Amino acid sequence: AQRVTQPEKLLSVFKGAPVELKCNYSYSGSPELFWYVQYSRQRLQLLLRHISRESIKGFTADLNKGETSFHLKKPFAQEEDSAMYYCALDNYGQNFVFGPGTRLSVLP
Amino acid sequence: NAGVTQTPKFQVLKTGQSMTLQCAQDMNHNSMYWYRQDPGMGLRLIYYSASEGTTDKGEVPNGYNVSRLNKREFSLRLESAAPSQTSVYFCASRYGATNEKLFFGSGTQLSVL
Repeated sequence: AQRVTQPEKLLSVFKGAPVELKCNYSYSGSPELFWYVQYSRQRLQLLLRHISRESIKGFTADLNKGETSFHLKKPFAQEEDSAMYYCALDNYGQNFVFGPGTRLSVLP
Repeated sequence: NAGVTQTPKFQVLKTGQSMTLQCAQDMNHNSMYWYRQDPGMGLRLIYYSASEGTTDKGEVPNGYNVSRLNKREFSLRLESAAPSQTSVYFCASRYGATNEKLFFGSGTQLSVL
């Protein structure tokens, strides 16, 4: 079955430190993966998707098919990055499967 | 540009009461979804509609029904609310092609007492 795991419920880092939010998936076929972010009191929004290979707000994510991972990285965390982050998998174009989420807290 | 609009934003129900959550999108999207968000469990799919006239169960459909009223609107009904349905509900939509992103509504916070 298609599944997305995010092992960390909460990740705390200091401002300026590197951050990595982990995501692993199980999927038969070629996966289409996304990161969504939910800032406080805002609706979920797309942060990035692997197919576009773009960097949004300094975040990048590389698909590693061998390790079935799609970890989200940023070299220098900012306080405004504090939010809930969800890794998601496009389930054969029918729907999305989301991971449980990681709350990132960037400390001053 | 409204995007995805959900109503109501907040609701408190007593056990056994019924209610309908409304969702509408103005982006001419084919696919619409209902998710619930619970701490530690992320977003779980309740029902989805890949196109007008079709609906399918997701991961957690029990206790819910849906109606794809037309291409714009997709409602979620709780026939007999239970405390386990206390959650934040999100409606989402997308055009439908693979790798298209989801657009989310602002959510409905539902408490069942």
